Amino acid sequence: GAGVSQSPSNKVTEKGKDVELRCDPISGHTALYWYRQSLGQGLEFLIYFQGNSAPDKSGLPSDRFSAERTGGSVSTLTIQRTQQEDSAVYLCASSSDYAETQYFGPGTRLLVL
Amino acid sequence: RKEVEQDPGPFNVPEGATVAFNCTYSNSASQSFFWYRQDCRKEPKLLMSVYSSGNEDGRFTAQLNRASQYISLLIRDSKLSDSATYLCVVKGNGNKLVFGAGTILRVKS
Repeated sequence: GAGVSQSPSNKVTEKGKDVELRCDPISGHTALYWYRQSLGQGLEFLIYFQGNSAPDKSGLPSDRFSAERTGGSVSTLTIQRTQQEDSAVYLCASSSDYAETQYFGPGTRLLVL
Repeated sequence: RKEVEQDPGPFNVPEGATVAFNCTYSNSASQSFFWYRQDCRKEPKLLMSVYSSGNEDGRFTAQLNRASQYISLLIRDSKLSDSATYLCVVKGNGNKLVFGAGTILRVKS
């Protein structure tokens, strides 16, 4: 069946521009997570959506980062006024309600010049 | 101190060797533990969950020591295809996963 999909696969942008990254979770999964992985580093939690509950935004590194999840399905991560240190792979994962296994998408590789 | 710490390696081993990775975690209240595998430029994929009693899946054995707050992964009879980065993962508050930085394994013929 279809897994988690993300778009775009790669994004190159100039410092100061805004970017939007999209995640399509596995159908029926109520939980959705965003992580980022910098070169040679572990995954860093950004934000977590669970059903209709308020999202856990505790991992967002600054107010330039925001995310929304419309209709309990697709999610968009927005980075405003991008900086070079935002360059990383942004990974989305989803899981079924309270299940422990998270399934990851292929990621979006963001490069800020 | 990082919440989850791993030896980054790399571990370079010949085919057929047995190799073990350890990982330590700082939150004593953690309840769930996992090993994920990540291939180069790919997304992480669940390898196995780690249970208190220890568990085995083919050539892979995972163990948990709550008293010492460490988790281990043992790979027997290493294959070339086992070459990857192995991520130690602990479930933190809510459903949030905390990842270690990973241990690189290179299996050579």
